[in-house]
Amino acid sequence: GQNIDQPTEMTATEGAIVQINCTYQTSGFNGLFWYQQHAGEAPTFLSYNVLDGLEEKGRFSSFLSRSKGYSYLLLKELQMKDSASYLCAVKDSNYQLIWGAGTKLIIKP
Amino acid sequence: SQTIHQWPATLVQPVGSPLSLECTVEGTSNPNLYWYRQAAGRGLQLLFYSVGIGQISSEVPQNLSASRPQDRQFILSSKKLLLSDSGFYLCAWSVLGQDGDGELFFGEGSRLTVL
Repeated sequence: GQNIDQPTEMTATEGAIVQINCTYQTSGFNGLFWYQQHAGEAPTFLSYNVLDGLEEKGRFSSFLSRSKGYSYLLLKELQMKDSASYLCAVKDSNYQLIWGAGTKLIIKP
Repeated sequence: SQTIHQWPATLVQPVGSPLSLECTVEGTSNPNLYWYRQAAGRGLQLLFYSVGIGQISSEVPQNLSASRPQDRQFILSSKKLLLSDSGFYLCAWSVLGQDGDGELFFGEGSRLTVL
């Protein structure tokens, strides 16, 4: 079967750095997405990785290793507004998105 | 710019009643359209997707149905709701690229509670 694994919940301190991991087992791979979802709201796009390596976008970076079936989202200089769930999703060989359950990130002052 | 709207935002319905959630996209033509359901603690579940008017693919057999009467309109319906239909429903659109769908753009979401 197809599976996306992420930690259920993480806690970090304002101003610090946090890394949210995502491992996947899918039938084929055509890209990996990270989305941010604030409570009660719709997900919004953060990043897309299709090749190995690090993609940096401001305070957020996303890393991919296809051989390991692994990605992480790195958030720097954490702000209270970063408190949200972070969803990992993989596009499989049929270009269908397989979604993880999300990681709830709690930021403490 | 492109926008997506879905409504109603919140709905409380009795078991056995009908359902209609509507979604419209503006500022783009021939988008791929999706209905997802999100249950607490679980990943987004794809319910239906559409690549064109009248073309609907169902991913999960259930008592829900979808229709696309116009290019930028997508409707989720049910004739008789079940308790298990409660959840957060999300409409989304994307543009088909060289390597399949690009990023998804989501509507505001509709929270359905079936009592």
